[in-house]
Amino acid sequence: KAGVTQTPRYLIKTRGQQVTLSCSPISGHRSVSWYQQTPGQGLQFLFEYFSETQRNKGNFPGRFSGRQFSNSRSEMNVSTLELGDSALYLCASSSEGQGHTEAFFGQGTRLTVV
Amino acid sequence: SQKIEQNSEALNIQEGKTATLTCNYTNYSPAYLQWYRQDPGRGPVFLLLIRENEKEKRKERLKVTFDTTLKQSLFHITASQPADSATYLCALPQSYNTDKLIFGTGTRLQVFP
Repeated sequence: KAGVTQTPRYLIKTRGQQVTLSCSPISGHRSVSWYQQTPGQGLQFLFEYFSETQRNKGNFPGRFSGRQFSNSRSEMNVSTLELGDSALYLCASSSEGQGHTEAFFGQGTRLTVV
Repeated sequence: SQKIEQNSEALNIQEGKTATLTCNYTNYSPAYLQWYRQDPGRGPVFLLLIRENEKEKRKERLKVTFDTTLKQSLFHITASQPADSATYLCALPQSYNTDKLIFGTGTRLQVFP
């Protein structure tokens, strides 16, 4: 069974640009959650999608958005990038939804904003 | 809102000893709590989930306890090995009736031969 796949693994963008990150969950999993991880803040919840609907949302500005497709693949978009958006972005998939069962994390996308 | 406190200082122990990591939360008692392991540059890996009605859970050399009176979970690794060196994160729901997980900042464990 393939694990959670995130692409790309590394990304360098310039301030003001926008970026799209992709996450393919484990086959059969309908829940995908996104997190931002920085050394100072740890893992911060961005949002969760379940069966193409956003079910939960964290406290991030509207520049951060996401969506989920019918095949459960999810994308996350960040517009008007700021230096502070540099982080490791992780997605996690689970079969039932966040918390009820174990979450399987991808390797993450390391975003650097210069 | 709920906050998680994990010892941010690294825990250094000798191989063969038992490592004990602490996770404290500040407000309501969650319905469950999870522990994850994270290696540098990689995503967290799920280890154990313990529910509020469970005092203790074991998996091989791992043991988790959950004390709702103390608002604390302890994570033990017995007979620790250098391969156990990693950062360990605890996670729990942000508030009652939500699945939105919040994570602690993690405790880095270093096991020396």
